[in-house]
Amino acid sequence: GAGVSQTPSNKVTEKGKYVELRCDPISGHTALYWYRQSLGQGPEFLIYFQGTGAADDSGLPNDRFFAVRPEGSVSTLKIQRTERGDSAVYLCASRSLAGDHNEQFFGPGTRLTVL
Amino acid sequence: GDSVTQMEGPVTLSEEAFLTINCTYTATGYPSLFWYVQYPGEGLQLLLKATKADDKGSNKGFEATYRKETTSFHLEKGSVQVSDSAVYFCALTSGGSNYKLTFGKGTLLTVNP
Repeated sequence: GAGVSQTPSNKVTEKGKYVELRCDPISGHTALYWYRQSLGQGPEFLIYFQGTGAADDSGLPNDRFFAVRPEGSVSTLKIQRTERGDSAVYLCASRSLAGDHNEQFFGPGTRLTVL
Repeated sequence: GDSVTQMEGPVTLSEEAFLTINCTYTATGYPSLFWYVQYPGEGLQLLLKATKADDKGSNKGFEATYRKETTSFHLEKGSVQVSDSAVYFCALTSGGSNYKLTFGKGTLLTVNP
């Protein structure tokens, strides 16, 4: 079956602009995560959705970052007034709440470059 | 809070050499432990996992044993191949209801023929 997909694969923007990054999880996966991976670092947790609601947004770095998942499937990560320090690979992962609920499946990521 | 410390890279080995990548952790409660692998140009993939003390995870010739007494989960492989060249991440979830992952910084492995 299809895995987690993310669009766009690459996004170049200018400082101060607004960007949206999209994640399509595996069909039927209720849990969805966003992570950010800076160069030379491991992924860092941003936000977790259980269904439509953000159950844990403790990893969002500031109020310029926001994410939604209005129908409990596709999620969009929104970044306002982008800064050069926001440049990173943004990863999405989804997880089933049934069976082996420990495993998260990752998408290929969106590489964001803020000039 | 939770944290993962793994061996700094890069690691360069010849084909058929023995591999160890060290990983230690700090966590509340009883975490589940994971190794993820990122091949060049690809996304993160789960390599193996262990969910309780003394469990051994294994896959593709790689192994790691959950050692609660030393809070470690070292990755080993007896004979590496060129195709094992990748970045390896140790990670944990400390349970609760959200299973968010805490990752180490990653170790780049290069295997030469």
